[in-house]
Order: sequence, then structure tokens, then C-alpha cells
Amino acid sequence: ILNVEQSPQSLHVQEGDSTNFTCSFPSSNFYALHWYRWETAKSPEALFVMTLNGDEKKKGRISATLNTKEGYSYLYIKGSQPEDSATYLCASLGGDSSYKLIFGSGTRLLVRP
Amino acid sequence: GAGVSQSPRYKVAKRGQDVALRCDPISGHVSLFWYQQALGQGPEFLTYFQNEAQLDKSGLPSDRFFAERPEGSVSTLKIQRTQQEDSAVYLCASSSGQGWGQPQHFGDGTRLSIL
Repeated sequence: ILNVEQSPQSLHVQEGDSTNFTCSFPSSNFYALHWYRWETAKSPEALFVMTLNGDEKKKGRISATLNTKEGYSYLYIKGSQPEDSATYLCASLGGDSSYKLIFGSGTRLLVRP
Repeated sequence: GAGVSQSPRYKVAKRGQDVALRCDPISGHVSLFWYQQALGQGPEFLTYFQNEAQLDKSGLPSDRFFAERPEGSVSTLKIQRTQQEDSAVYLCASSSGQGWGQPQHFGDGTRLSIL
């Protein structure tokens, strides 16, 4: 995998549903994997920075896991709320750069009340 | 607040005009990044500053794009002789360190439309 890929592209869920998204990234020369939440008309907000294989991080109802050997990360949202509606971006640091984030296209989540 | 501030929020320019976009990073942040985000895509790296030094400008699309950070704080991204393909959201981000473990803090972006 040469690029960072996210799936699905968009997701509509009902309030209270739990959901998850996938981020695939190059596994060679890996430094870190970032997750951001981007609400319309606001700035992207950092959720997690993950560096170690097997890392699991949690922030409220949102959690993320990391597998650096196979090059994927999952983001989970438990009991989705309308305020979770946003675009979720992952970005990889690796290869020949320890600072240049390579972003996926994002997963757009819409939570219906 | 103490976040990253970008101005203007919206900019409309005619093709061929020059534009300047400003970024005020979080005070004390060493690293500053510019990204370009086209509709439906993730942000794409343009350039990176460490204090006043521009260490990487490999993402700048052409020599019409120029960025500076003369005193190691405020940065300006300038686009000369704008073209329609320059229409995008331009995001600025700063971080406190130089390592990969630091999150980047983003501004709200400048939405540039070239007519």
C-alpha cells in the first residue's frame, strides 16, 4: 500500500449505534498514525497519535487500535450521538519523513437522531 | 483563544491575481505546516517550517506558491498569478515538537475560490 486509504467513504447510522472505520497505511518505516475529527466549519481536532504496534487508545466513547505489521488502524465509536457527525481523517507518518503527514480521504459519518 | 488562527476565512480572487494567506500558530510552537485540501480529498502536505527555517517545500505545486515564516512565528502562504486549480481549502497546523509523537493543531483554514 503506497497511500493511506480509509473505508468506508461515508456512513449513516442511527443514534445509539456503534460503528467503526478502517485506515490502511504503508507498514514499512512506520513512525506514527494520527486520527483527527473534522466537523463542518471547524478545524480538524486531534483524537489520537499512535506509535506502537498493538496500541489501543480511548477518549470517551471513541477508541482506536493499531497494527503496524499489517498496516491498519480501526476507529470505534460506541453509542453514536448526533454530535459525533463529522469527517474522521487518519494520517500516517513514515517512509522517508518523520514529520510529513499523509492523509486518507476521510470517512464522513452522519448520525441520525 | 490560544489555538491556530488563519485569515482570511474566505477569499475570492480573479484568475491571475496574487493572494496572501496568513497563519498565526500556537505561541511557542516550533513546527508549522501548510496543507491544501481539495474537495472530497484529505489534506495534502505543502511545506514545513521549523522555527524560521523552511525545511521542506516539496509539496508546493509550482513556483507560483511561496511560503515564509521570517521570525519563526506568523507564516504567510502566497500564491502568485492564481489559477482555477488553486481553488481549495488551505490549512495551517502547528506542533510543539519536531518528533512524530506530537499531534498537529489545525486552524479553521482559508477557503480560496478563484474565478
